[in-house]
Amino acid sequence: EPEVTQTPSHQVTQMGQEVILRCVPISNHLYFYWYRQILGQKVEFLVSFYNNEISEKSEIFDDQFSVERPDGSNFTLKIRSTKLEDSAMYFCASSTQGALTGELFFGEGSRLTVL
Amino acid sequence: EDQVTQSPEALRLQEGESSSLNCSYTVSGLRGLFWYRQDPGKGPEFLFTLYSAGEEKEKERLKATLTKKESFLHITAPKPEDSATYLCAVQTLSGGGADGLTFGKGTHLIIQP
Repeated sequence: EPEVTQTPSHQVTQMGQEVILRCVPISNHLYFYWYRQILGQKVEFLVSFYNNEISEKSEIFDDQFSVERPDGSNFTLKIRSTKLEDSAMYFCASSTQGALTGELFFGEGSRLTVL
Repeated sequence: EDQVTQSPEALRLQEGESSSLNCSYTVSGLRGLFWYRQDPGKGPEFLFTLYSAGEEKEKERLKATLTKKESFLHITAPKPEDSATYLCAVQTLSGGGADGLTFGKGTHLIIQP
């Protein structure tokens, strides 16, 4: 069964360092998302991406964050200068018809620890 | 601001003991309400989409219902493998089809054998 894959599964970094989280969405999906979940908190929307551009971003997604689809398969989230409060599980998701159907397929997540 | 509140935060049931989880929402205009299941250390897994009051969806031991203010996830005769955190999420009229979902904090369900 097709699935969303994310790498790395866990990354530890020093405050101020740049981090790139990678995702391979399901191949025929057109809509891509990043969400994050701070330990013990709810899943929060960061950004949606469609037709090679950002569709919507939340208040969390400030200038320190960027997304890219560098080729036909990868979807990346870059955090330019990490802060302690960026420590969270970051989930990539993809869908065929957008969030209106609610049927997003999530990856297993990348746990980011900022020291 | 859109709000999604789930209750209870945690629920422990015996195997076979049916119950319901609640999701109440305050949004500017509901486009859809969604239920997900999340296992420890994993990403959310889609269960149901509900669009309008009165709608019901079923899958195995789970049934989701929707009113104008809340949704219920009914679990009938649960088994230990139903143990998970169940998440409710909404999408509102303020955005288009690609917009993000607003999640609740979830209900952590434990089914004891």
